Amino acid sequence: DAGVIQSPRHEVTEMGQEVTLRCKPISGHDYLFWYRQTMMRGLELLIYFNNNVPIDDSGMPEDRFSAKMPNASFSTLKIQPSEPRDSAVYFCASSFGGIDEQFFGPGTRLTVL
Amino acid sequence: KQEVTQIPAALSVPEGENLVLNCSFTDSAIYNLQWFRQDPGKGLTSLLLIQSSQREQTSGRLNASLDKSSGRSTLYIAASQPGDSATYLCAVYQTGANNLFFGTGTRLTVIP
Repeated sequence: DAGVIQSPRHEVTEMGQEVTLRCKPISGHDYLFWYRQTMMRGLELLIYFNNNVPIDDSGMPEDRFSAKMPNASFSTLKIQPSEPRDSAVYFCASSFGGIDEQFFGPGTRLTVL
Repeated sequence: KQEVTQIPAALSVPEGENLVLNCSFTDSAIYNLQWFRQDPGKGLTSLLLIQSSQREQTSGRLNASLDKSSGRSTLYIAASQPGDSATYLCAVYQTGANNLFFGTGTRLTVIP
């Protein structure tokens, strides 16, 4: 398996634009997690899915953030409208079983100007 | 809320030295603890996972221990190499919340 795949790897956009981050989990994994990493706050869980269903989105900072998982092999994290404070590295991770080992993707480095 | 602390924040050692990284957590109600390494500009690579019922796990030159009652874990790296240079993160899986709580990491530099 190729591991968790994220795209794009880098995204530079202007304030107010819509940003969509994509993730393909490891095949067979039933949990998918979206994290955000910043220097100030470290790694924070934004939302996670179990069998394509959002279970806990309490970490999503604002209504500007939304996430979907239309099928077992694809998830998106959307920010609309984007703001400079959204600049961070966004990671997707997946696991087989919620408390099992998590495998992370390479991340998307987002810069909002 | 679970708080995970890693000390020191940064560590430099000469090649070949054995070293210990520390992780402490405030709530001992955990399912497991996971150690990761993160290289600059890269994602997280899982190193070791210790279940709450276990005391330690070993993988090659790495040995992780867990003392759940005292809220502590250590990652022991034997015979360090320059390729071990990275940031090491520990994370605990909190009971009752399907959520990994991460420490802030220890940035390790192994000097050739």
